[in-house]
Amino acid sequence: AQSVTQLGSHVSVSEGALVLLRCNYSSSVPPYLFWYVQYPNQGLQLLLKYTTGATLVKGINGFEAEFKKSETSFHLTKPSAHMSDAAEYFCAVSLYNQGGKLIFGQGTELSVKP
Amino acid sequence: EADIYQTPRYLVIGTGKKITLECSQTMGHDKMYWYQQDPGMELHLIHYSYGVNSTEKGDLSSESTVSRIRTEHFPLTLESARPSHTSQYLCASSTGGNYGYTFGSGTRLTVV
Repeated sequence: AQSVTQLGSHVSVSEGALVLLRCNYSSSVPPYLFWYVQYPNQGLQLLLKYTTGATLVKGINGFEAEFKKSETSFHLTKPSAHMSDAAEYFCAVSLYNQGGKLIFGQGTELSVKP
Repeated sequence: EADIYQTPRYLVIGTGKKITLECSQTMGHDKMYWYQQDPGMELHLIHYSYGVNSTEKGDLSSESTVSRIRTEHFPLTLESARPSHTSQYLCASSTGGNYGYTFGSGTRLTVV
């Protein structure tokens, strides 16, 4: 069965520092991969996704993620953190043969210190 | 503008009351989902539907029920609310495949 693991439930960075949020998946077939962001008292918003093609995908707000099949990873990065990036981040995987149903990771809370 | 709407945004209700959380989308998506999100952030799928008159239970057992009489509408009902039902409930919709989900803003339910 497929699953998603996000390493670190809380990540804290200083403003201007690199943001790295880790996501590993287990799947026997190539998955579709997603990152979502959730601000307080809001629903989830799609940041970026990988389906096919280029393994480095760019999303909104300066975020990007790289699909590494050999490492079964899809880590999220941003070169320079802003205070407004403080939020919850969720990695998710779906299989093309399961109707697009998403399996979510446990979530990572990102804090940004001034 | 195509979107997905959840009402109410916040609800405080007494134990034993019947409640219905509303979810509607204007995108014509066939697939709709309900998630329960606990204070630790993790999302738990409690119900989903792949079309009209089709509903399935999710991975987390829930005392709630759902219906899908119209494509755009996917309400969730609790017949008798209890404090253990206190949580945030998120509704989402999708066309399936590689498009991911579109989420509503959520309903934060508190049962006292």
